[in-house]
Amino acid sequence: RKEVEQDPGPFNVPEGATVAFNCTYSNSASQSFFWYRQDCRKEPKLLMSVYSSGNEDGRFTAQLNRASQYISLLIRDSKLSDSATYLCVVIPGTGNQFYFGTGTSLTVIP
Amino acid sequence: DAGITQSPRYKITETGRQVTLMCHQTWSHSYMFWYRQDLGHGLRLIYYSAAADITDKGEVPDGYVVSRSKTENFPLTLESATRSQTSVYFCACERTGESTDTQYFGPGTRLTVL
Repeated sequence: RKEVEQDPGPFNVPEGATVAFNCTYSNSASQSFFWYRQDCRKEPKLLMSVYSSGNEDGRFTAQLNRASQYISLLIRDSKLSDSATYLCVVIPGTGNQFYFGTGTSLTVIP
Repeated sequence: DAGITQSPRYKITETGRQVTLMCHQTWSHSYMFWYRQDLGHGLRLIYYSAAADITDKGEVPDGYVVSRSKTENFPLTLESATRSQTSVYFCACERTGESTDTQYFGPGTRLTVL
């Protein structure tokens, strides 16, 4: 079983829509979680960390559900510039190895 | 503040040739990583290094060699390139934050093995 699994999409949404992505992880001892954004032919860039209590950064909200072992990313009021691939990242337990999901593709349509 | 740089950005080589991809960071962070990214697999860890002269295998190390004689450099060598090593290679280093560590990536090297 993969450490991290994501629905690859694609998600095609109109401007202004709200869209949510989920990502499941297999190791219940996982300690740290992140969302990264990757634009076409570019490197992944940190979007936000995911904290146990949930956290918000502008139009973006990240949540962690330890009982069901998933993290989520909610994007409100989608902009054209939000079009990208969103990668979830899990650090399972101790150590420094990051495990990346395969990414969820989002296209925001005018 | 250049952060992480990779060279070359694009490389075409032939099966059996040796290729070295360079990675340089300006931050002097301890941990550095090499990933490859392929459709359907996402990012997979090849090797990582906790400090100069300390390296360890990741998920897909076969066919690759790394070294780290200086903290700021972490070259990746394909000793005898194969077509299956055609991929996009990303170097990353880990920055310590207030509550957690996270990784920052270089711009990538697109390698094609013919």
